[in-house]
Amino acid sequence: AQSVSQHNHHVILSEAASLELGCNYSYGGTVNLFWYVQYPGQHLQLLLKYFSGDPLVKGIKGFEAEFIKSKFSFNLRKPSVQWSDTAEYFCAVIANAGNMLTFGGGTRLMVKP
Amino acid sequence: KAGVTQTPRYLIKTRGQQVTLSCSPISGHRSVSWYQQTPGQGLQFLFEYFSETQRNKGNFPGRFSGRQFSNSRSEMNVSTLELGDSALYLCASTTGGTRGEQFFGPGTRLTVL
Repeated sequence: AQSVSQHNHHVILSEAASLELGCNYSYGGTVNLFWYVQYPGQHLQLLLKYFSGDPLVKGIKGFEAEFIKSKFSFNLRKPSVQWSDTAEYFCAVIANAGNMLTFGGGTRLMVKP
Repeated sequence: KAGVTQTPRYLIKTRGQQVTLSCSPISGHRSVSWYQQTPGQGLQFLFEYFSETQRNKGNFPGRFSGRQFSNSRSEMNVSTLELGDSALYLCASTTGGTRGEQFFGPGTRLTVL
């Protein structure tokens, strides 16, 4: 069965700092990859997704992620975070037929103003 | 377009009772998935329904069941509630293809006393 690991459980940054959140998955076949965000009191929203093609994908709010197949990784990046980026971030994969998302454990990001 | 709606938003039950949660997908979406979110276990997939048929099932006991109606609305049922069933239950919908982007509802917060 596939699994997803997010290395950082809690990250604290100051505004304007750069962000990189790690995500690794274990599955040898074709995967679709996602990053979701959950702002305080709000529902899960899609930040970005990778299905195929250019391994560098851009999402909403200035986020981007790079798929490195050889490393089974899909790290999330943002050059300059804002206080409003304070949220919990989840990496997820779909590896089989259907729409079963396997999530990582999440990373809580706190951005200090 | 209206988003995914879930009812009720909050629920308090006692051990041994049963509960039914409801999810209305985005109009035109035919696939509905359910997830359980807890602080300890994170986000875990329960099951997916497509065209009134269960397409995928996660690793949960038989006390957890679901169904989908012809209008794509879905319900999940938990029988013989246990304290550990306290969680946020999330519903997500997608168009009906596989491995696609899913749209999440706000969730139902279930507390078991």
